[in-house]
Amino acid sequence: GAVVSQHPSWVICKSGTSVKIECRSLDFQATTMFWYRQFPKQSLMLMATSNEGSKATYEQGVEKDKFLINHASLTLSTLTVTSAHPEDSSFYICSADRDRGTKTQYFGPGTRLLVL
Amino acid sequence: GIQVEQSPPDLILQEGANSTLRCNFSDSVNNLQWFHQNPWGQLINLFYIPSGTKQNGRLSATTVATERYSLLYISSSQTTDSGVYFCAVGAGNMLTFGGGTRLMVKP
Repeated sequence: GAVVSQHPSWVICKSGTSVKIECRSLDFQATTMFWYRQFPKQSLMLMATSNEGSKATYEQGVEKDKFLINHASLTLSTLTVTSAHPEDSSFYICSADRDRGTKTQYFGPGTRLLVL
Repeated sequence: GIQVEQSPPDLILQEGANSTLRCNFSDSVNNLQWFHQNPWGQLINLFYIPSGTKQNGRLSATTVATERYSLLYISSSQTTDSGVYFCAVGAGNMLTFGGGTRLMVKP
């Protein structure tokens, strides 16, 4: 159990376009989902915390109008990178919090975004 | 915010060797997890261990919360253990990741 999927696994787009990334918890309900980004050979940086039915909480320095997060159900959160630019190219990873008395997060396989 | 430091940053082992990875953190936490990121980028849960000791096969972990550190032990390493090991800590369900230890196990 505790499987998290992401779609697409990789995407190449032109500068100025928008890209939507989906994160799904397949076998559990996730009240909270998290979005991270990771640059090559670096650690994961938390971008935002997404709670079902409410607005996302963004970390300092993350533009909420550029990275739109929607958590429409207990199994789905989406991240939309609006008007993407080459500097947005990165590895985006989501995780879901399955509350079973622990705070264990389960991670999706990630989405590689390349903006040309 | 909380600071998380992992050491060593890089580690090369011969297959069969043992190793210890360390994670130091700057503040009290009630959430500490160890992950293995494989070469394809997938993070795999190893341990949820805010305190105490746990073992799972060739891996074990110990967290001494009062002294703000955690250790991950890998015994009889295998080439499939290669990848990056992350420690992540938090005071709730939000995690701050350390810089990771990049492990290469040679056959």
